[in-house]
Amino acid sequence: DGGITQSPKYLFRKEGQNVTLSCEQNLNHDAMYWYRQDPGQGLRLIYYSQIVNDFQKGDIAEGYSVSREKKESFPLTVTSAQKNPTAFYLCASSTVNYGYTFGSGTRLTVV
Amino acid sequence: DQQVKQNSPSLSVQEGRISILNCDYTNSMFDYFLWYKKYPAEGPTFLISISSIKDKNEDGRFTVFLNKSAKHLSLHIVPSQPGDSAVYFCAASKNTGKLIFGQGTTLQVKP
Repeated sequence: DGGITQSPKYLFRKEGQNVTLSCEQNLNHDAMYWYRQDPGQGLRLIYYSQIVNDFQKGDIAEGYSVSREKKESFPLTVTSAQKNPTAFYLCASSTVNYGYTFGSGTRLTVV
Repeated sequence: DQQVKQNSPSLSVQEGRISILNCDYTNSMFDYFLWYKKYPAEGPTFLISISSIKDKNEDGRFTVFLNKSAKHLSLHIVPSQPGDSAVYFCAASKNTGKLIFGQGTTLQVKP
């Protein structure tokens, strides 16, 4: 079955550490996205990539980095520069025909 | 600048009655609108969409209405069921670009 997989489901980070969230899709979608969900704030776009080896900043890119070396993969690194990283992170992919498919999310908590 | 707004953070309705979720947007260039449904600790799932050339789209119990002059769309759920209890996000895009999401409305359907 085609889909989008995020791992891990839960992640704990110590202050000052970088962590990487995985996102893999086998839908052959060109575009991939990272969103962050906070209570009352909806889904805010962190980074997106429309083709391999290219990506753009979203609305809240500070403290995050991404790479897109393969079509199937779009990992997100939360760096120590991100001041408030505790949140629910969602990865999505899409075709040119608008449809977004979301992963099941990663809950990141700073301890 | 919030281009897509859901001004009601929450809504509570009785089972069997109609649920109406509202969404406003500011960018007149948006040409495609979608509603997503999200359960806790899961990724959003696509519910229904509408193109700007239409003013209504219906799928079973779900109907989306678009009023372009008012830059307003609404999602009607009739009849509402307890399993509809979730967070609902509206989203908009232009020219097949990335989706811009609203803040979400939490719907509670009481038995």
